[in-house]
Amino acid sequence: GAGVSQTPSNKVTEKGKYVELRCDPISGHTALYWYRQSLGQGPEFLIYFQGTGAADDSGLPNDRFFAVRPEGSVSTLKIQRTERGDSAVYLCASSLAGRETQYFGPGTRLLVL
Amino acid sequence: QKEVEQDPGPLSVPEGAIVSLNCTYSNSAFQYFMWYRQYSRKGPELLMYTYSSGNKEDGRFTAQVDKSSKYISLFIRDSQPSDSATYLCAIHGNQFYFGTGTSLTVIP
Repeated sequence: GAGVSQTPSNKVTEKGKYVELRCDPISGHTALYWYRQSLGQGPEFLIYFQGTGAADDSGLPNDRFFAVRPEGSVSTLKIQRTERGDSAVYLCASSLAGRETQYFGPGTRLLVL
Repeated sequence: QKEVEQDPGPLSVPEGAIVSLNCTYSNSAFQYFMWYRQYSRKGPELLMYTYSSGNKEDGRFTAQVDKSSKYISLFIRDSQPSDSATYLCAIHGNQFYFGTGTSLTVIP
């Protein structure tokens, strides 16, 4: 079956612009996670959805970052007023509710100039 | 103190060698431990998942958890060039915490 997909695969933007990153989880997976991975680092937790609601958004670095999952499937990570320090790979993962096995997408590489 | 610490390497070994990758963690309450493999420009892929202490074996891979030392290990036997990747340890507490990853190169 299809895995987790993320679009776009690469995004180049200018400082101050708004960006949206999309994640399509595996069908039937109710849990969805967003992570940020900088070069040479491990994934850093941003937000966790269980169904439509954000069960834990403690990893969002500031109020420029926001994520939604309105129908409990596709999720969008939104970054306002991008800064150069936002440049990283943004990873999405999904899992069955109550299971520890997360399946990651390939990531979106964001570059803020 | 970070929740999980991992030596970033890089680590370079000849084909057929035994590889040992290690992480330490800070909170003795952690119960779920994972190892992921990440190839260049790909997302992490789950290799091994262990609950609580002990060993778990899957083919050439063995995961080991020592809760008394707060130390987790991944052993790779008969390493192959296709094992060349970054290996990430991860722990599930109230959220998922990842190590920085160890870059491994297996030389043919």
